[in-house]
Amino acid sequence: GQSLEQPSEVTAVEGAIVQINCTYQTSGFYGLSWYQQHDGGAPTFLSYNGLDGLEETGRFSSFLSRSDSYGYLLLQELQMKDSASYFCAVYTGRRALTFGSGTRLQVQP
Amino acid sequence: GAGVSQSPSNKVTEKGKDVELRCDPISGHTALYWYRQRLGQGLEFLIYFQGNSAPDKSGLPSDRFSAERTGESVSTLTIQRTQQEDSAVYLCASSLEPSRADTQYFGPGTRLTVL
Repeated sequence: GQSLEQPSEVTAVEGAIVQINCTYQTSGFYGLSWYQQHDGGAPTFLSYNGLDGLEETGRFSSFLSRSDSYGYLLLQELQMKDSASYFCAVYTGRRALTFGSGTRLQVQP
Repeated sequence: GAGVSQSPSNKVTEKGKDVELRCDPISGHTALYWYRQRLGQGLEFLIYFQGNSAPDKSGLPSDRFSAERTGESVSTLTIQRTQQEDSAVYLCASSLEPSRADTQYFGPGTRLTVL
């Protein structure tokens, strides 16, 4: 089966840096994605790592280590609008993504 | 269309009734997915359509759940004899193709409440 683990909640202050970790156990692995979901909203795609290393998109970066079955999402210069839930998701080459249970990020002033 | 649309946005029904949820994917997207999200939880895969291939129904929780898709357009998710445990947000997503982890575009969801 597939399982993904990520912290349930993270709190940080505006302007800070926060890292959300994700470890996974899957049969087959093609890549790790990250999605953001604001309360009451639809998940939106943030990033995808198919290879080891760091991918940077503006204030957000995502990292993958396939040998460690581990990845993280790094959010820099936190803003209040970054308060949301963040989901890691694994693509195994079959059907749809398998999502983690999400990390609720609360950014405080 | 501009994005994935779903209807209705909210549905309140009585236990035992059937409900039908609709999803309009982005035009040209061959892959369509249904997920269920219970309050405060992650996304639970339900069913996946890819072009004219047989759908992957491995995530459907019981035989009360079924879904159809007409070609590469509209999909409907039907829940028969609804139970209170079916209360959740049902999200539909589409993607241009299913290879790698191609970006999935999500609709706003249908919030289903079973009384």
